[in-house]
Amino acid sequence: SYVLTQPPSLSVAPGETATISCGGNNIGSKIVHWYQQKAGQAPVLVMYYNSDRPSGIPERFSGSNSGNTATLTITRVEAGDEADYSCQVWDTSNDHRVFGGGTKLTVL
Amino acid sequence: EVQLLESGGGLVQPGGSLRLSCEASGFIVRDNNMNWVRQAPGRGLEWVSIVYSGGNTYYADSVKGRFTISRHSSKNNLYLLMNSLRTEDTAVYYCARERVVRGVLLGMDVWGHGTTVTVSS
Repeated sequence: SYVLTQPPSLSVAPGETATISCGGNNIGSKIVHWYQQKAGQAPVLVMYYNSDRPSGIPERFSGSNSGNTATLTITRVEAGDEADYSCQVWDTSNDHRVFGGGTKLTVL
Repeated sequence: EVQLLESGGGLVQPGGSLRLSCEASGFIVRDNNMNWVRQAPGRGLEWVSIVYSGGNTYYADSVKGRFTISRHSSKNNLYLLMNSLRTEDTAVYYCARERVVRGVLLGMDVWGHGTTVTVSS
């Protein structure tokens, strides 16, 4: 089965840029989606189809996907961005959906 | 407004059964790919099951043979029947719609608030 690997945690100062990685074998050939989950809340889709933002998601959020790594980038980080971020793909070999383990973003 | 509302969680003994429900509003469940996703305490998101708009179903290896996803024939509801429950099934269970446009999967764009399942003796 397909495995997605994320760093468990990332700390960034306000105003700086957060870069959250999602590793997988040839992930660049897959479509990656990203979810934000704040404490005690349900996940929210913040990036789909690698680099498209749903309505209501700030332009500070962007995504890319190439080779063995997909990336969610948040520029000018704010305190309200503190959350867990998870990547997700469709495993075409078995029609399963796969989530990465999640990255906890802490805003210092 | 597009919404999902889960119910049916609770405390159950190991080996027991539970049926979760997910009521949709603002869209038709049968016209969409619908998922169950769970989150164990302090852990990340884990995909559990999907029912495609066409009716095909798939399950994570961890629940295959024990869980059954289904849709009501006339109500706008999604269900998850969980049998032979184990302590490791303890989690918050979310239902989520998967957006599809012209055959392209565009992520899970609508989520419920979740319902908590605790498996313990």
